[in-house]
Amino acid sequence: DAKTTQPNSMESNEEEPVHLPCNHSTISGTDYIHWYRQLPSQGPEYVIHGLTSNVNNRMASLAIAEDRKSSTLILHRATLRDAAVYYCILATSGTYKYIFGTGTRLKVLA
Amino acid sequence: DARVTQTPRHKVTEMGQEVTMRCQPILGHNTVFWYRQTMMQGLELLAYFRNRAPLDDSGMPKDRFSAEMPDATLATLKIQPSEPRDSAVYFCASGSPYAGGPGTGELFFGEGSRLTVL
Repeated sequence: DAKTTQPNSMESNEEEPVHLPCNHSTISGTDYIHWYRQLPSQGPEYVIHGLTSNVNNRMASLAIAEDRKSSTLILHRATLRDAAVYYCILATSGTYKYIFGTGTRLKVLA
Repeated sequence: DARVTQTPRHKVTEMGQEVTMRCQPILGHNTVFWYRQTMMQGLELLAYFRNRAPLDDSGMPKDRFSAEMPDATLATLKIQPSEPRDSAVYFCASGSPYAGGPGTGELFFGEGSRLTVL
């Protein structure tokens, strides 16, 4: 299974943009990149996913490197409610497994 | 709002007892996942089903854990006998990851079942 590497923790000031990096150097050509987040005492929730092109939705943007070996989740204006653990996941081609790594714990400072 | 429903939300039991956790996936979703979360191991994939058939349960301890989908509206995860090391939060998730091709679908998670084995 292809793996992802994320920083253990990051901090951001409220209302500032946040860039959460993820490395996935062993990604295969058909693996999709997914991001989920887990708020305290809740199950993970979907944020965004993509294959090759950058993606935007109401929650965030996903920037994917041209070689696809890394990606960045962008929160345009962090709020206190965005404090969570953010997981970068590769949807493994052929097996449909969604394997969660250790994630990045985002702290948002007021 | 459609949601994944898990029961019980909390369970405290003694070592050696049987524990059954239940999950009602979102209607129409054809794939159901079971995850376990602990502080030490994080989120571990235990098993997943597609159209009620088990696709992969390699993450599950076979000697004491079993997972089934008796019908499309119910998934169960059973531990027999339970041990203190099974204490964790167990999450069920459902989705249709094949709708747009492999790996394209969104997973919806339940709120989890917190299990404590004394």
